[in-house]
Amino acid sequence: AQKITQTQPGMFVQEKEAVTLDCTYDTSDPSYGLFWYKQPSSGEMIFLIYQGSYDQQNATEGRYSLNFQKARKSANLVISASQLGDSAMYFCAMRANTGNQFYFGTGTSLTVIP
Amino acid sequence: GAVVSQHPSRVICKSGTSVKIECRSLDFQATTMFWYRQFPKKSLMLMATSNEGSKATYEQGVEKDKFLINHASLTLSTLTVTSAHPEDSSFYICSAASGRVGNEQFFGPGTRLTVL
Repeated sequence: AQKITQTQPGMFVQEKEAVTLDCTYDTSDPSYGLFWYKQPSSGEMIFLIYQGSYDQQNATEGRYSLNFQKARKSANLVISASQLGDSAMYFCAMRANTGNQFYFGTGTSLTVIP
Repeated sequence: GAVVSQHPSRVICKSGTSVKIECRSLDFQATTMFWYRQFPKKSLMLMATSNEGSKATYEQGVEKDKFLINHASLTLSTLTVTSAHPEDSSFYICSAASGRVGNEQFFGPGTRLTVL
């Protein structure tokens, strides 16, 4: 069975500072994908970044980077130079390669303080 | 980028009526679409996997006869909430797999259903 854990229900960060959102996962599949999505108050789910289980390097997309530590089964999202528009819910998700289903964590609510 | 639309964005209906929600992939073909339900301040709960041309695969605990899913084409999946009750009020989100590296899912904007 797949399991995604986000232990931070809420986080605050000062504008222009960096913030790390935690995500740990559990799976018995040797091949899987890890994703982060942003959900603003409007409700839409916005894809941010992807990390494959066999990728040697940590994924980066602009101000987003994924700190992938396979042995610890963690895939933390790092947002650099936070902006007010980054305030939203952030979900970590995992897809096992045995199927297309995504399994989501419980989310972290990020608030950027001016 | 891949765009997924949902219609309607909001719907209010009376108890006992049925409501149909459409999910369309606008610029790519999606053999597989997914339907999620999200309660306020909660995570997304996968309800079912919609496969083009075949029956949907429902997650445990999701009533097949209550949440009818049809995936008639590579760009359209529909979710029909039959005989809706107030406890069915929720935010329903669909997604489609991109088929690209990572096979990330692109989500529709969601439909807020309120059953009176």
